[in-house]
Amino acid sequence: KAGVTQTPRYLIKTRGQQVTLSCSPISGHRSVSWYQQTPGQGLQFLFEYFSETQRNKGNFPGRFSGRQFSNSRSEMNVSTLELGDSALYLCASSLSSSGGGDTQYFGPGTRLTVL
Amino acid sequence: AQSVTQLGSHVSVSEGALVLLRCNYSSSVPPYLFWYVQYPNQGLQLLLKYTSAATLVKGINGFEAEFKKSETSFHLTKPSAHMSDAAEYFCAVSSPGGQGGKLIFGQGTELSVKP
Repeated sequence: KAGVTQTPRYLIKTRGQQVTLSCSPISGHRSVSWYQQTPGQGLQFLFEYFSETQRNKGNFPGRFSGRQFSNSRSEMNVSTLELGDSALYLCASSLSSSGGGDTQYFGPGTRLTVL
Repeated sequence: AQSVTQLGSHVSVSEGALVLLRCNYSSSVPPYLFWYVQYPNQGLQLLLKYTSAATLVKGINGFEAEFKKSETSFHLTKPSAHMSDAAEYFCAVSSPGGQGGKLIFGQGTELSVKP
């Protein structure tokens, strides 16, 4: 079975621009979660989508948004980029129908650099 | 609110020595607990998880962890370190029910293995 894929793997943007990152989950997985990883703040939960609905949300500003399509693929968007948005963005998928205890399988991440 | 504390941001051991990475959690409900490993420029890979079955959990690559409710701990151990174990290790917690797609991570412990 193919793993979680994320595109693009690397991205360079300038302040004020917006960016869209894509995540394709493992086949059959309906939950997709997004995380931001930085040296200073570590791994922080952004949001989770299940069956095209946002089920959980972390403490990030509204500039960070996401969506999920009917095939479970997910995108996250960051508008008005700031230098502090430079990070590794990780996507994870799981079966997670009832929530809790399911293993989240992570993709390789998208490295975003904001100049 | 849930939280995870990993004691020691960096641990160094000699090849063949015991590996002990410490994790303490805080949760108002019975938690699910996970250990993930991250190699450079890669996503996270699950080592093992605790989901309220046996308190001693065995994972991949010879790692195991013991859930101790009285100590709110979930320390990761491996009897004999190998050079290939050098990586960053993350302990994470999630809740049952609808919060299952949200992992709260510790700050991570970088493991170095000396020849």
